[in-house]
Amino acid sequence: KQEVTQIPAALSVPEGENLVLNCSFTDSAIYNLQWFRQDPGKGLTSLLLIQSSQREQTSGRLNASLDKSSGRSTLYIAASQPGDSATYLCAVRFSNSGYALNFGKGTSLLVTP
Amino acid sequence: EAQVTQNPRYLITVTGKKLTVTCSQNMNHEYMSWYRQDPGLGLRQIYYSMNVEVTDKGDVPEGYKVSRKEKRNFPLILESPSPNQTSLYFCASSPRDRPYNEQFFGPGTRLTVL
Repeated sequence: KQEVTQIPAALSVPEGENLVLNCSFTDSAIYNLQWFRQDPGKGLTSLLLIQSSQREQTSGRLNASLDKSSGRSTLYIAASQPGDSATYLCAVRFSNSGYALNFGKGTSLLVTP
Repeated sequence: EAQVTQNPRYLITVTGKKLTVTCSQNMNHEYMSWYRQDPGLGLRQIYYSMNVEVTDKGDVPEGYKVSRKEKRNFPLILESPSPNQTSLYFCASSPRDRPYNEQFFGPGTRLTVL
């Protein structure tokens, strides 16, 4: 079964620190990978979408990289702020799973002032 | 504004009382799907639809029904809800013309079955 794993499950950092969230997946045959943000009890906000042919995508203080051959993606957050506190979800669209997204369980991030 | 909407946003009901959660998108997307999110299990796909009148099971379809009579709407039906269907539900949509498209999610529906 194709799986998506996110490490760590939880992370606490002081404000201003740069940080990296990790996502790994079991099959390198993917269409794309999406990073989402979820605030407690709320919906999913799409942050970045990386196609299988791309190596990275950037949006503001966020940078997502993709290494398809090793089955890994990282989300880099620069100069973290308390407003970045949320759960970050990685979702992979595998080539043989149609349009379904396979989600990791998320990394819960707390940025302390 | 391009969006996916869900109603209701919050629902408390009792075991066995049929309910419908509506999902609507205004982006003319062919593909729509339903996910449920549970603590420790993440998001799992319930059902999906590739186009009008075309639906198929996802990973956890038991206890749910769907229909796709119009392109913009994809309701989720619980004929006889049970407490194990207490969850946070998300509807999503995506264009189908290319397999690389981003998926857009609704705001979620929190369902509690007593």
